This record gives sequence, structure tokens and C-alpha cells, in this order.
Amino acid sequence: DTAVSQTPKYLVTQMGNDKSIKCEQNLGHDTMYWYKQDSKKFLKIMFSYNNKELIINETVPNRFSPKSPDKAHLNLHINSLELGDSAVYFCASSQDFTGRNSPLHFGNGTRLTVT
Amino acid sequence: AQTVTQSQPEMSVQEAETVTLSCTYDTSESDYYLFWYKQPPSRQMILVIRQEAYKQQNATENRFSVNFQKAAKSFSLKISDSQLGDAAMYFCAYRTRRFQGAQKLVFGQGTRLTINP
Repeated sequence: DTAVSQTPKYLVTQMGNDKSIKCEQNLGHDTMYWYKQDSKKFLKIMFSYNNKELIINETVPNRFSPKSPDKAHLNLHINSLELGDSAVYFCASSQDFTGRNSPLHFGNGTRLTVT
Repeated sequence: AQTVTQSQPEMSVQEAETVTLSCTYDTSESDYYLFWYKQPPSRQMILVIRQEAYKQQNATENRFSVNFQKAAKSFSLKISDSQLGDAAMYFCAYRTRRFQGAQKLVFGQGTRLTINP
């Protein structure tokens, strides 16, 4: 059973389009995250939600909008896609946002290519 | 702001040998976590080992161990008896233990490890 699952695995789209990436975790965790890995493999946090409430919002263009319908799901919607949005997007979860007893569990990533 | 630096973009080692990956970090905090994550070609991020800064004893997980030097802000990963399956990108990461934003991992640039048969 996959603990943190993301769909789709690959996403190719044209500039200007709107797309969504979905994430689900079956670990019973309260906290979920989106991380972005750029072409140089550098990983950086974008957002974090704890029990459907936004707790971390890094400096990310407002074209990126996370949505958490329940604590097991955290989706990422991207409007007006740009070439620079091409990257691998990782979803992750943890038991709680203090993290004292729970490391992050990552999904397998979604490779987004904007042409 | 905290930063994490991995000065070795690439490393290679013969199968069954030992290799050490370097990581340094910069922080003004005294209480934090450090991690090593592995990213194989499958792209999945896998936790290899973690160290709590207040613990003086170096963490070990089977063939993986760390050399944590708090004063020097150094956190190297040693892989003993290297296996072909160890080939991957390895990321060092830092996380504060402060209540707010505790799970905001700060990653290094990564080291690509190649295992030569």
C-alpha cells in the first residue's frame, strides 16, 4: 500500500494552461506539504497544511493555490503555467507539524514539464 | 536563515568500500534535527538517518552512520560496505525544533553517489 500517493506521475502541458496535482496519504497524518525540486535538484518547501489549515506559505507566486479538502488530501492547483514552473513537485506528510516524533514521508513526485 | 551546504556534487566508490559524504550547515539555533535523505533514480525521497542536535551520540542505521560535529556544524554520512543499490542522490537536510514551522526542511544541493562494481 502506497503511503503518500501523487497523481499524475508525469504532466506535460503548454504555457498558459491551468493544471492540478493531487496528493493523498493513508497514514492518518495530520500535516501535509508541497515541496518543489528544480532542474538542479534543489528542494524547497512551498506549502504546509495541518488538519486542513495553512501553516507554512513560502514566497510562492499566487498562481499556485493549495487546497486541502480533508486532512488526508492536499492538492496543488497552478494557474497560467510558465516555463519556469517545470520541476518535480513532491507531496509529503508527517504525523503532526511539530515533527518531534515523526519524520516526513514523501510521495514519488510529479514531473511537470511546461512547453 | 539556516543554510545547508554539500560541497561534493558527485562521489564514487567501489562496491564493498566505504564512502563519506560531507555536509555543513549554518544556524544560530541550538536545538534542531539533521537528516540524510536518499533519492534513487525512481525519484522517491527516502529517509536514511536522522540526528537530534541535543544528542551527542552519533546516529547509526545498519551500514549508515553519521559523524555529527555540533561545534563545527558538520554532519557527514558514512556508508560502509557500499552496495549497488546505494547509488542515488543524497541530500542533507536541517529542521528547527522550534514549535512553529518545525517541519520546514532546508535541503543541501545534493551529492550524486555512484557505486562502481
